[in-house]
Amino acid sequence: AQTVTQSQPEMSVQEAETVTLSCTYDTSESDYYLFWYKQPPSRQMILVIRQEAYKQQNATENRFSVNFQKAAKSFSLKISDSQLGDAAMYFCAYRSASGTYKYIFGTGTRLKVLA
Amino acid sequence: DSGVTQTPKHLITATGQRVTLRCSPRSGDLSVYWYQQSLDQGLQFLIQYYNGEERAKGNILERFSAQQFPDLHSELNLSSLELGDSALYFCASSVSVGDSGNTIYFGEGSWLTVV
Repeated sequence: AQTVTQSQPEMSVQEAETVTLSCTYDTSESDYYLFWYKQPPSRQMILVIRQEAYKQQNATENRFSVNFQKAAKSFSLKISDSQLGDAAMYFCAYRSASGTYKYIFGTGTRLKVLA
Repeated sequence: DSGVTQTPKHLITATGQRVTLRCSPRSGDLSVYWYQQSLDQGLQFLIQYYNGEERAKGNILERFSAQQFPDLHSELNLSSLELGDSALYFCASSVSVGDSGNTIYFGEGSWLTVV
């Protein structure tokens, strides 16, 4: 069974600085998708970025980018020029490209942004 | 706005009671997922439906049941409620189980408080 691990329960970053959130996963599949979701205090789940495993190029969305290392099964999220609005819980998620297509979430990393 | 609608947004009920949470997926989405998130916890996958049929089952208690109707809306029924069932219940939807690369979009959740 696939698993997703986020080993950093909490991280802090100074406003305007860069922070990297870690995520590792375990799978025997070769084709899958990885996601980062943000959950602000409102508790709504918001998609931040998505990566297809078959793509070697790392996904980017404005200030958010990922470092996808398929062999190492690592999928970290880098937030550049951190803003106060980035403070939230961040969840890493895995989805198989076949089978039940169930999404598996990590336990989350709480990001604090310091003014 | 993700396009996924959940009702009610908040619900307070007594132990032993039964409640129904409702979800309308995004227009065109065939797949519906239910997740439970207790306070400061990650997301626990409960169940997934695709075009009216159960597709995957997670850690869903026997006291809980769900279904997806022909119009694709879904309901999660929680019965014999216990204090520990207090949580935020998310519904999410996506286009198709077989549509590779699709992303799930979350509703705002239904807050259930059991007293």
